Amino acid sequence: GAGVSQSPSNKVTEKGKDVELRCDPISGHTALYWYRQSLGQGLEFLIYFQGNSAPDKSGLPSDRFSAERTGGSVSTLTIQRTQQEDSAVYLCASSFSAGQGIEAFFGQGTRLTVV
Amino acid sequence: SQQGEEDPQALSIQEGENATMNCSYKTSINNLQWYRQNSGRGLVHLILIRSNEREKHSGRLRVTLDTSKKSSSLLITASRAADTASYFCATGLQGAQKLVFGQGTRLTINP
Repeated sequence: GAGVSQSPSNKVTEKGKDVELRCDPISGHTALYWYRQSLGQGLEFLIYFQGNSAPDKSGLPSDRFSAERTGGSVSTLTIQRTQQEDSAVYLCASSFSAGQGIEAFFGQGTRLTVV
Repeated sequence: SQQGEEDPQALSIQEGENATMNCSYKTSINNLQWYRQNSGRGLVHLILIRSNEREKHSGRLRVTLDTSKKSSSLLITASRAADTASYFCATGLQGAQKLVFGQGTRLTINP
């Protein structure tokens, strides 16, 4: 079956523009994560969705970042007024419900470059 | 701050040797997972160990967990060039749903 799909694979945008990154999780997975990874660094947690529960937004670095998940499936991460420090690979992952002890499946990420 | 910290940050060994990576964490966990990342893109799950387990094996992988020391180790035996990648530990925190990742160990296997 299909894995986690992210689009676009690469995105170059001008400073100050808004961008939308999309994640299609594995069908039936109720948990969805967004992470950010700067070059050569670890994964920085951004936001977590679990079913119909309120998302855990504790990792969003500023109010320029927002995410939504429509119909419990596709998720969109939006970055408004992009800055150069937003340049990174944005990774999405999904897993079955009940959060912990469950393997997370990752997409290939979106490489965002802000020029 | 990150929950997990891997050690060493980088490791370079000869093919056929064993590679050991360590992960330390700060708060109580329900489980710990190890992931591999090739070429800075998607991560692949390797193995999960629960807080009531001390050791787990999967093929050439051996993971240990010491909850008293808040640490875990990943051992790759008989390393191969294809094992070259970054390896991350991820912890499932008690009372929280999210997975928190460490900074990773960059492993290079020299032929």
